[in-house]
Amino acid sequence: DTAVSQTPKYLVTQMGNDKSIKCEQNLGHDTMYWYKQDSKKFLKIMFSYNNKELIINETVPNRFSPKSPDKAHLNLHINSLELGDSAVYFCASSPAGTSTYEQYFGPGTRLTVT
Amino acid sequence: DAKTTQPPSMDCAEGRAANLPCNHSTISGNEYVYWYRQIHSQGPQYIIHGLKNNETNEMASLIITEDRKSSTLILPHATLRDTAVYYCIVRVAYGEKLTFGTGTRLTIIP
Repeated sequence: DTAVSQTPKYLVTQMGNDKSIKCEQNLGHDTMYWYKQDSKKFLKIMFSYNNKELIINETVPNRFSPKSPDKAHLNLHINSLELGDSAVYFCASSPAGTSTYEQYFGPGTRLTVT
Repeated sequence: DAKTTQPPSMDCAEGRAANLPCNHSTISGNEYVYWYRQIHSQGPQYIIHGLKNNETNEMASLIITEDRKSSTLILPHATLRDTAVYYCIVRVAYGEKLTFGTGTRLTIIP
C-alpha cells in the first residue's frame, strides 16, 4: 500500500492557468507538508499543516493555497501559474506527539508551465 | 536550524562501506542530526537520526563525534541502489520543517 500518494505525477499547463495537486497519506499522521524542488534541485518547505491547521507558511506567493479537508489530505492549488512555478512538488507527512520523527515523502508531481 | 556542510560528490565501490561526512559545527544542544536520501526522481527517504550517541538501523549507521560538530553516515555494504543524493540535516526535536542543503551525490561504482 502506498503511504503518501500524489496526483497527478506529471502536470503540463500554460501560464495563467489554475491547477491543483492532490496528496493523500494512509499512515494516520497528523502533520502534512508541501515541499518544492526547483530545477537546481534545491528542496524547500512551502507549507505545513497539523490536524487541518496551517502551522508553516514559508513566504510562498498568495497564488499558492493549500487546503486540508481532513488530516489525511493536503491539496495544493495554484492560481495564475507562472514559468517560475515549474518544479517538482513533494508532499510529506509525519506523526506528531513524539520528540523526534521522520517525514515520509510522496513520489512527487512534476509541474511544467509553458 | 544549524547549517551543515557536505562534500558535493563521492564515489564508492559496490560492496564496500560508504562513509559520508557532514560538518555541523554550529549545532546546538537540542538539535538532532538527521540523514535523508533522494534517489533520482523519487521523494526523499528517511535513513537515520541521532542526538549524541551512535545509532544503527537496518539501513545505515550514524557516528556522531563527541563534540557533536560533525557526523558520518555509514552504508556498510553499498549496492548500486544506494546511488542517490544524501542530505545531512540538523533540527530541533520538535521542529516541524526539514531544511535541505545541497547534499552529497553518492555514486556506487560496479
